[in-house]
Amino acid sequence: GAVVSQHPSRVICKSGTSVKIECRSLDFQATTMFWYRQFPKQSLMLMATSNEGSKATYEQGVEKDKFLINHASLTLSTLTVTSAHPEDSSFYICSARESPVRLSNQPQHFGDGTRLSIL
Amino acid sequence: DAKTTQPPSMDCAEGRAANLPCNHSTISGNEYVYWYRQIHSQGPQYIIHGLKNNETNEMASLIITEDRKSSTLILPHATLRDTAVYYCIVRTASYDKVIFGPGTSLSVIP
Repeated sequence: GAVVSQHPSRVICKSGTSVKIECRSLDFQATTMFWYRQFPKQSLMLMATSNEGSKATYEQGVEKDKFLINHASLTLSTLTVTSAHPEDSSFYICSARESPVRLSNQPQHFGDGTRLSIL
Repeated sequence: DAKTTQPPSMDCAEGRAANLPCNHSTISGNEYVYWYRQIHSQGPQYIIHGLKNNETNEMASLIITEDRKSSTLILPHATLRDTAVYYCIVRTASYDKVIFGPGTSLSVIP
């Protein structure tokens, strides 16, 4: 089945550091990927939609200058948390849907997440 | 997207069938019902989806009522590894975003 890989799985860094998280579709192409954030005991919150070759679309309340998204190829999207602070500590998850769309109702596939801890 | 409501938590004895309900009374004709689950500290895993017919795969069965206002995910023989948060999501096929509600936290008990 379709596999989405995230790297790194866990990162711990100092406050003020910028952190880059990669999301790769391993066996399919994805013109669109999605980034979510999840705090403990809460559901996933959609942050932004990443579009290959164009600007990302951010959900209301998500700072685009804080969370930089780059989708430079059909298999890779990156999320950079700039000048990270302790309140940015969270579980970040990406997802992707295969394109071109073979079946209009095919599901999205999710990575295993990146746990970010800012000290 | 139509909104869904699920019970916040459920228990199920190991080896028994787990029946997870979902209400989606405002679902429209072109919206599918999708189920995902999230095991602790992992990304969500796709389980099954359907439009109006019942569906079955190697993981689960999906029963959709005739009026499509509710559905039930059935795990036929629950194991401890099925302990997870289960999310019922309704969306149109062409709408990419997957918006998660609180889901149902299923605990499978030995």
